[in-house]
This record gives sequence, C-alpha cells and structure tokens, in this order.
Amino acid sequence: DAGVIQSPRHEVTEMGQEVTLRCKPISGHNSLFWYRQTMMRGLELLIYFNNNVPIDDSGMPEDRFSAKMPNASFSTLKIQPSEPRDSAVYFCASSFEEVFYEQFFGPGTRLTVL
Amino acid sequence: AQSVTQPDIHITVSEGASLELRCNYSYGATPYLFWYVQSPGQGLQLLLKYFSGDTLVQGIKGFEAEFKRSQSSFNLRKPSVHWSDAAEYFCAQSTSGTYKYIFGTGTRLKVLA
Repeated sequence: DAGVIQSPRHEVTEMGQEVTLRCKPISGHNSLFWYRQTMMRGLELLIYFNNNVPIDDSGMPEDRFSAKMPNASFSTLKIQPSEPRDSAVYFCASSFEEVFYEQFFGPGTRLTVL
Repeated sequence: AQSVTQPDIHITVSEGASLELRCNYSYGATPYLFWYVQSPGQGLQLLLKYFSGDTLVQGIKGFEAEFKRSQSSFNLRKPSVHWSDAAEYFCAQSTSGTYKYIFGTGTRLKVLA
C-alpha cells in the first residue's frame, strides 16, 4: 500500500494567488481529513469527509478556504486568495471508520505564502 | 472541553538511556488514546493506540505506553533510545472513537550520541 499521497510536497506562492493542495487517500478508506500544522496553533482539523461528503468543516478558517472530494480517491484543499498567515504544513489523513477512526497521515505539503 | 497535555516541550536523552514521555488526557468515559511520531519533514506515523483491555500497550519501534485511568495518563516509554528516535512525539485522544482527535502540543526529543 502506497499510503496517503499528497502533492505538491512544497509550495511557494505570492500573496493573492490561488493554491490547490491535493490528496489521494489509502484505497478502501472512507474517511478523509485535512489538518493544518503551525508552531503557534499545533495541529488543527480543518475539514472531515465521510464517504466523499463533508461532515464537519467547522475548522475551516474562513471563506478563502474550500475543500472538495469528487470521488473516493481524490480530494483538494484550495486557498483563494492566499495570505502570508496561511503559511503552514497541511496534512491529509485517511481512515476506515469501522476501525475507531485510526488515522493515517500523508507526508504533508509545506506552504509558504510570500 | 477535551484536552491533551504534554507537559514537556523538549526532552534530551543520551543514546541507550531510557525514555518516558508524559501525556495527560481530559476525562472521558471511553478514551481512545494514540501516540504518533513525526520525523523532520515527514507526516505523523502511528506508534501505538489504546482502546480497551490490557493497559500496557506495545507499539512499533520498541515503544510501549501505559494507560492509567486514575491518573488520566498515557505515558510513552522506551527502555533504550536510539539516535533514530529523535523526532517530535504527539499524544492524541479521540473521545468514544469519534473522528475528532485532540492532539497535544508535542514533545521534541533530542538524542545525544
């Protein structure tokens, strides 16, 4: 199993630009999570999908952030327009809900907004 | 509100020494507890988990953790640390097995040769 795949691994962009982060969950997992990690706030859950449906997006910071999961094997997190304070590492994780939501994390995307 | 506390931000140990990383969770009827490790530039890898049963849990890489309900603790231990164990360690709790994890702030481990 390839594990959770994220792309790109690093992204540097300028303020105001659109950023799209991508995630491929582990095959067979039906739950997907996007997290943000910063020094100040630690690991924060942004959004949770179950069976491709957004269940909890209460952690999404503001309307500039959006996430989609068009099918069971792909999800995107989009920031438009990006701001310097969005600089962070963004993790995607997946799980099979019948296993008490044991989550498997991808390697992360390090985003730098100049 | 649920919370997970890792009181030690940094810990330094010598290679070969024993290790204990502390974690305290907030009260929950059925705490589902996890320890993850994050190596530099990497994602989080699950070391071990506790759902029920034997309170001493064995994990990967020679780690173990002990659940103590009376102390609301789930401390991570390793009898002999290797240089490759240098990383950041996160304790997490999921109340009653829900999807919402509460992560601690992490403990960064440094290993001296």
